[in-house]
Amino acid sequence: SQTIHQWPATLVQPVGSPLSLECTVEGTSNPNLYWYRQAAGRGLQLLFYSVGIGQISSEVPQNLSASRPQDRQFILSSKKLLLSDSGFYLCAWSVSRGVGTQYFGPGTRLLVL
Amino acid sequence: DQQVKQNSPSLSVQEGRISILNCDYTNSMFDYFLWYKKYPAEGPTFLISISSIKDKNEDGRFTVFLNKSAKHLSLHIVPSQPGDSAVYFCAAIGGRSQGNLIFGKGTKLSVKP
Repeated sequence: SQTIHQWPATLVQPVGSPLSLECTVEGTSNPNLYWYRQAAGRGLQLLFYSVGIGQISSEVPQNLSASRPQDRQFILSSKKLLLSDSGFYLCAWSVSRGVGTQYFGPGTRLLVL
Repeated sequence: DQQVKQNSPSLSVQEGRISILNCDYTNSMFDYFLWYKKYPAEGPTFLISISSIKDKNEDGRFTVFLNKSAKHLSLHIVPSQPGDSAVYFCAAIGGRSQGNLIFGKGTKLSVKP
């Protein structure tokens, strides 16, 4: 069966510091991968998606970047965090785009102070 | 432009009764709809889905109804249980969403014993 991992679970970082959140998927090959953010009182906002190694699409202009160095690894980064980057970050995977279900990881709660 | 709308931010229901969560969409090209359940500080869990070629899909206590002419779908939970208390997100995919899930902002369901 497939599983998706995210770490860390919780992170408190000062403004201006760098960020690296990691997501890995097990039990599947060539998944489509996604990064979402859920800000307080808001829905799920798609930040990035990837259909393969090194292929990243950005949905919204922002202070964050994403990379996919390996087939089942997806990394969310920032060089300098802003207060507005605080939120709950979720990684998800799907078998294919355009059809069906995405499966989410446990999430990372990021607080920027 | 919010393509998927959940107009009720919260819903309170007595245990054993029916919970009805509603979702409206504006994009007639959406052809697949999903409901996710989310507990605090956890990733969303896929609950049930429906294709636009159907008007009903049932899985145990959960039934999703789709009314394409009204661009409306609903999730029925019968009977409601306290463990169903969570935030429920409606999501849609298809057409110009280009393979991305478009989420509503969620409805917080509270099932009271």
